[in-house]
Amino acid sequence: GEDVEQSLFLSVREGDSSVINCTYTDSSSTYLYWYKQEPGAGLQLLTYIFSNMDMKQDQRLTVLLNKKDKHLSLRIADTQTGDSAIYFCAERDDYKLSFGAGTTVTVRA
Amino acid sequence: DVKVTQSSRYLVKRTGEKVFLECVQDMDHENMFWYRQDPGLGLRLIYFSYDVKMKEKGDIPEGYSVSREKKERFSLILESASTNQTSMYLCASSLKQGTQPQHFGDGTRLSIL
Repeated sequence: GEDVEQSLFLSVREGDSSVINCTYTDSSSTYLYWYKQEPGAGLQLLTYIFSNMDMKQDQRLTVLLNKKDKHLSLRIADTQTGDSAIYFCAERDDYKLSFGAGTTVTVRA
Repeated sequence: DVKVTQSSRYLVKRTGEKVFLECVQDMDHENMFWYRQDPGLGLRLIYFSYDVKMKEKGDIPEGYSVSREKKERFSLILESASTNQTSMYLCASSLKQGTQPQHFGDGTRLSIL
């Protein structure tokens, strides 16, 4: 599959904003996704963005897409302890997804 | 809500055994997928199926096979388990087209001794 890259770790203080970054390589991707994985669980879809959009906001989540630079970010406002998890970005090509390695977000008090 | 159910959360098997991992979805999805998840590598696609009895290789199919005899069920088979197949296995399903994303089960943590 195509390469999707993310930084592996992010530590953030409770109440601050978290920003998780992702780069992808396939310019034909139609949709880009953010999934969350809590310990011992499967992946839960957080949000997704269509490739012709620049931004999508959903409550505390904001997704920004820079298609020219092939850069995707997820901002979590007012980060809470329940946001501690692994976050995966994924790009969709036809009906297949390519995932990044995941960013482990640790929220400290 | 979509429900994707994997038959076991934890499984321990011995090298050389034939291992079956089962996955069932209840939303009449056409597509089903098997991934393995390893630390630092993210999710890698093993096989997927876009219809009953249809299957296609993903990125790492070696050592695995699949079976889809019914639309709701997708099985992953380790023909002769080896220690390097110790991993977390995740099943997912999705509609064939449109904006609908893949929905995941809770995973099976498989240990091969």
